[in-house]
Amino acid sequence: EEQLVESGGDLVQPGGSLRLSCAASGFIFRNYWMSWVRQAPGKELEWLGHIKQDGSERFYMDSVRGRFTISRDNGKNSLFLQMDSLRAEDTAMYYCATSTTPASGGDAFNLWGQGTMVTVSS
Amino acid sequence: DIQMTQSPSTLSASVGDRVTITCRASESVRNWLAWYQQKQGKAPKLLIYRASNLENGVPSRFSGSGSGTEFTLTISSLQPDDFATYYCQQYHIYSTFGQGTKVEIK
Repeated sequence: EEQLVESGGDLVQPGGSLRLSCAASGFIFRNYWMSWVRQAPGKELEWLGHIKQDGSERFYMDSVRGRFTISRDNGKNSLFLQMDSLRAEDTAMYYCATSTTPASGGDAFNLWGQGTMVTVSS
Repeated sequence: DIQMTQSPSTLSASVGDRVTITCRASESVRNWLAWYQQKQGKAPKLLIYRASNLENGVPSRFSGSGSGTEFTLTISSLQPDDFATYYCQQYHIYSTFGQGTKVEIK
């Protein structure tokens, strides 16, 4: 069974840092682009960025560019999100997601983790 | 960035109703459009990809149509399990989600 499991969410003070992890299983992780998506409480989904299969390309949305870094370890089937200079508005549930459906042609995410909660507050 | 606008924001309907949700893109996304269903406290679930293709295992009462800048998600006969929030997503240029449509019990 294809599965993504996030971890690392916590309560952190403004200006602090946190590293989220996403463990993949049940599919060939190194073959797929991977994305991070977040959802603030009661708000819509926000795509944050993605990383290419070999890690050679990454893209970030303006809201996190320069503060967040996406990386991966294909040997450990793991995706990471390093979050620095955290702000109150970064408080959200963070999901890793991917598309393992070739017919979709891109980032139509058929596979999501359960999410990990990040709270930025003093 | 491509902006996605859904309407309505909230929809009240009864079991058996035909329901239509609209999603408009600020520029053409061709057919790179997906629809998701999200229930409280759960991750989103993919329903439709490439505007009109039903994801495996999704009931046939769900359908999608449109191309370019205007898209619709239709539920032909609303079932109790369908009360949820629905999101559109463009994935033509990176990715953007709409603000969501909550389908409530009337």
